[in-house]
Amino acid sequence: AQSVSQHNHHVILSEAASLELGCNYSYGGTVNLFWYVQYPGQHLQLLLKYFSGDPLVKGIKGFEAEFIKSKFSFNLRKPSVQWSDTAEYFCAALSYNTDKLIFGTGTRLQVFP
Amino acid sequence: SQTIHQWPATLVQPVGSPLSLECTVEGTSNPNLYWYRQAAGRGLQLLFYSVGIGQISSEVPQNLSASRPQDRQFILSSKKLLLSDSGFYLCAWSPNTGDTEAFFGQGTRLTVV
Repeated sequence: AQSVSQHNHHVILSEAASLELGCNYSYGGTVNLFWYVQYPGQHLQLLLKYFSGDPLVKGIKGFEAEFIKSKFSFNLRKPSVQWSDTAEYFCAALSYNTDKLIFGTGTRLQVFP
Repeated sequence: SQTIHQWPATLVQPVGSPLSLECTVEGTSNPNLYWYRQAAGRGLQLLFYSVGIGQISSEVPQNLSASRPQDRQFILSSKKLLLSDSGFYLCAWSPNTGDTEAFFGQGTRLTVV
């Protein structure tokens, strides 16, 4: 069955620290992968996406993610976080065959000045 | 451009009453449509998705049902609400070409009293 796992449920960092949020997916076929962000009181918005090609994808606000097929992973990274990055982050996988879009449980990131 | 409308934004309903949440998409045809429930610590739980009129896939057995009476209309229903149906419900759409992300409605905060 298709599933997405986010192992970090709550991450607390100081500004300028580096960030890496883990995401693993389980699905035997082709998937498209996404990271969404939800800032406090706001709607979900797309950070970045991977469909094919270069496994290192860059998104908005300095975020990037690397697709490692052998590890079924799509971890999100940012070299230096800012207080404004405080939000909840969701990894998602879309099955190319069924169009089923599954989200992880989310990671709550708190950045302190 | 495409837009998604979801209503109502908030809803308070008594236990045992029926439910109907509506979602419509404009500016596209034959979209994939999704209903999610978002709960703290549980991320976005996929409830139903549809790849075409009358085609509904149910992901979580529960007190809810979904219908797609028209190409760009997706309805979430219940005959008798339970207290446990309280939550934040999100509708989303994505192109059936599978080459871009999903786009979300504003959500409905449902409180069953």
